[in-house]
Amino acid sequence: AQSVTQLDSQVPVFEEAPVELRCNYSSSVSVYLFWYVQYPNQGLQLLLKYLSGSTLVKGINGFEAEFNKSQTSFHLRKPSVHISDTAEYFCAVSDVEETSGSRLTFGEGTQLTVNP
Amino acid sequence: EAEVAQSPRYKITEKSQAVAFWCDPISGHATLYWYRQILGQGPELLVQFQDESVVDDSQLPKDRFSAERLKGVDSTLKIQPAELGDSAMYLCASSLAGAAGPYEQYFGPGTRLTVT
Repeated sequence: AQSVTQLDSQVPVFEEAPVELRCNYSSSVSVYLFWYVQYPNQGLQLLLKYLSGSTLVKGINGFEAEFNKSQTSFHLRKPSVHISDTAEYFCAVSDVEETSGSRLTFGEGTQLTVNP
Repeated sequence: EAEVAQSPRYKITEKSQAVAFWCDPISGHATLYWYRQILGQGPELLVQFQDESVVDDSQLPKDRFSAERLKGVDSTLKIQPAELGDSAMYLCASSLAGAAGPYEQYFGPGTRLTVT
C-alpha cells in the first residue's frame, strides 16, 4: 500500500516570493509521482509528473519538482509566485507495477495563498 | 480542447433520498475513474473502469453506492440512500489505457453533493 504526506496544510506567501510545497511518500514498490492543482470548485489539473530519468522535472506555470528517492520526497517549487497561483495543490503517487491502470493515491493537499 | 463533462455541478438532497451523477469522459479514453473528495482532503478513488468492466471498486461502499458504464463510454454513479457523511465533491476522470502508460488522468469539474 502507498501513502502520501503533505507536510503543510497551508502555505501563505507574498507575491514574487519563492515557495516550496513539501511531499513525502511511502511505498514498498517503485512509484510514479505527480503534482496536481485545484482551483475553487474545479477539477484537478496536472502540473507535472515524474516517471523516470532526470530527477528534476519541470511543469506548467513555472513549477518544478525534484524526486529524491533516498528521502522519499517530491517537493514542488516555484521561484516567484503570482496571485493567480493561489489554489490547492495535491501530491499523488501511482504504483509502477500497476497493470490495471494508473490508480492514484493523493495526499491531503496544501492550500497555497499568495498575498499582494 | 476535449474535456470531461459532469452533471449536475451541484446537488442538494435530503438524507435517505437517491442521487445520481453523470460523467462523459474524453472521447477515446478507455479508463474512467470516480473519486470522492471530502472537504479539506485529497480525492479518494471509489471505482475504476476499463471500458465497461470494473477493475477496482475496493473502496466503493457497495451497500449504498453503485456505478455503471454500460457501453464503455459515459458513466453513472448512484447513491441510495444518501447519508449526511456522503456530502463531498464527486470527481470523474478519464485516461487512455495500454501498456505504454501511465497516462495522464483528465478531471472533470466535479459534482458537489450536499446531504441535509
